[in-house]
Amino acid sequence: AQKVTQAQTEISVVEKEDVTLDCVYETRDTTYYLFWYKQPPSGELVFLIRRNSFDEQNEISGRYSWNFQKSTSSFNFTITASQVVDSAVYFCALSPTDSWGKLQFGAGTQVVVTP
Amino acid sequence: DGGITQSPKYLFRKEGQNVTLSCEQNLNHDAMYWYRQDPGQGLRLIYYSQIVNDFQKGDIAEGYSVSREKKESFPLTVTSAQKNPTAFYLCASSTRARGPPQHFGDGTRLSIL
Repeated sequence: AQKVTQAQTEISVVEKEDVTLDCVYETRDTTYYLFWYKQPPSGELVFLIRRNSFDEQNEISGRYSWNFQKSTSSFNFTITASQVVDSAVYFCALSPTDSWGKLQFGAGTQVVVTP
Repeated sequence: DGGITQSPKYLFRKEGQNVTLSCEQNLNHDAMYWYRQDPGQGLRLIYYSQIVNDFQKGDIAEGYSVSREKKESFPLTVTSAQKNPTAFYLCASSTRARGPPQHFGDGTRLSIL
């Protein structure tokens, strides 16, 4: 069985602070994908990143960075120098590589960035 | 611009009534998905389809039905058998090569009258 845990329900920061969102997962699959999505107040989900379990390199994209640690089953997401536009709910998700229908989402973390 | 269009944005259902949520995509994606989102929770998969005329049940398919007669369209019917339909419904799509959904619609919020 798969499980994704996002222990932080809500994080509030002041603009320009860094914020790190935790994601811990459980799976029996030897290969899998990990994802992060952003859901702004408008409702649609925005895909941010997909990471294959074979690739443990950290990734940086602008102000976003991801730290994948297979040893601790974690895939944490950091927003550097946060902005008000970063206010959203962020979801971590997990999927086997051979079954797209088995994408399992965490409960999400609400990020509130105030000016 | 390519994308996923969901309609209506808001929908109200009377007791005992079936309602259909529309999802259309012009991305030429093979796979389409329906998810349900309840407050404070992640998304749960209702149904998905990887090719035309084929679809599979997700984790919470009871009380829902779908069809996939065209590649572009994947409507979801919420039947009267779904006793707690009030939720936010999201449609998504992906290409076969890129795996699980990476494009989502704006969602439909369904409420009971």
